[in-house]
Amino acid sequence: DTAVSQTPKYLVTQMGNDKSIKCEQNLGHDTMYWYKQDSKKFLKIMFSYNNKELIINETVPNRFSPKSPDKAHLNLHINSLELGDSAVYFCASSQVDRASNYGYTFGSGTRLTVV
Amino acid sequence: SQKIEQNSEALNIQEGKTATLTCNYTNYSPAYLQWYRQDPGRGPVFLLLIRENEKEKRKERLKVTFDTTLKQSLFHITASQPADSATYLCALDMGGGGNKLTFGTGTQLKVEL
Repeated sequence: DTAVSQTPKYLVTQMGNDKSIKCEQNLGHDTMYWYKQDSKKFLKIMFSYNNKELIINETVPNRFSPKSPDKAHLNLHINSLELGDSAVYFCASSQVDRASNYGYTFGSGTRLTVV
Repeated sequence: SQKIEQNSEALNIQEGKTATLTCNYTNYSPAYLQWYRQDPGRGPVFLLLIRENEKEKRKERLKVTFDTTLKQSLFHITASQPADSATYLCALDMGGGGNKLTFGTGTQLKVEL
């Protein structure tokens, strides 16, 4: 059983389109995240949700809208895709009161290519 | 603003030697620091955590030190093997509540036969 699973693994789309990435965790964690890893491999936090509530939004453009229907799911919808959105997007989860002991668990990533 | 810097260059070492990776940070006093491993095409995998009141932490062939005065952590892999080749990332919780892990730039390690 995959602990944090995200779909799709690859996404190629044209500029201006709208797309979604889905993420699910089966670890019972209360906090989920979206990270973006750019071409230089720098991993940057985008959003953090705790028990379905947004707690961190790192000045991400409004075109990105996360949605958490329950604490096991955190989806990412992107409107009007731009070339600069091309990156690998990682979903992660943690149990915040134990994050300091067990770290974050990451999914395997979604490689988004905007053409 | 907070910076977390790691050896920017790739590190190549011979099998059996000890690899030492550096993580430096500024303008922050974290309660703990984490290290992750990332393989190509995969997400980061948690390795170790060290708290501000711990000088050293070990796990099998891994050793982490944390010097809060120097604002530096060192990550050692002893008796390195080609399978240790990967990118290693250090990370600090910038939110203070465990919900804003900020990563360093990463160091690519290659262990050669």
